[in-house]
Amino acid sequence: NAGVTQTPKFRVLKTGQSMTLLCAQDMNHEYMYWYRQDPGMGLRLIHYSVGEGTTAKGEVPDGYNVSRLKKQNFLLGLESAAPSQTSVYFCASSSTENTGELFFGEGSRLTVL
Amino acid sequence: KQEVTQIPAALSVPEGENLVLNCSFTDSAIYNLQWFRQDPGKGLTSLLLIQSSQREQTSGRLNASLDKSSGRSTLYIAASQPGDSATYLCAVIYNFNKFYFGSGTKLNVKP
Repeated sequence: NAGVTQTPKFRVLKTGQSMTLLCAQDMNHEYMYWYRQDPGMGLRLIHYSVGEGTTAKGEVPDGYNVSRLKKQNFLLGLESAAPSQTSVYFCASSSTENTGELFFGEGSRLTVL
Repeated sequence: KQEVTQIPAALSVPEGENLVLNCSFTDSAIYNLQWFRQDPGKGLTSLLLIQSSQREQTSGRLNASLDKSSGRSTLYIAASQPGDSATYLCAVIYNFNKFYFGSGTKLNVKP
């Protein structure tokens, strides 16, 4: 019953460094999402994918890239981290059925110094 | 952009009280509505999913209702306990699995 798993759970970066967050789901879901959550801003959609090999921009995509090479994995990359990217990042997945129930990972806390 | 509003932003109640959390949305053409719970430092846990054809869903002490025509959903928590203290978020689901979140209600249940 792993559901949605995110790695790493915590990371500290220096400005300008790069990193990748990995999201894996074992529910055979087509849709996967990356959100960031900041105090007073709520959940904001960064990028999403509607199936293997597809990606699309969400509400706040600048400074991030994503890839969905395998159906079960959705990667979020920061090429040149900035302090404004300090946040908690959540991955989520849902099926194609219009029940659309969303399942979240535990989150990845990223600090950019 | 779809607007999802949750009122109140924070709520503090004594243990044992019944309470209602509110979620309102501007576009009534929803597919489903989902309620989540988030504990500090944790991810979002799904509580209840209401499909657009349903009026309510129940799970234990939780009951969620949906009124599409008025753009409202309520989450009713019966006999609240300190363990219910968390932030509760609603998400409105539109076609093609588009989710819009409210900013949440932070609940504190005092022993």
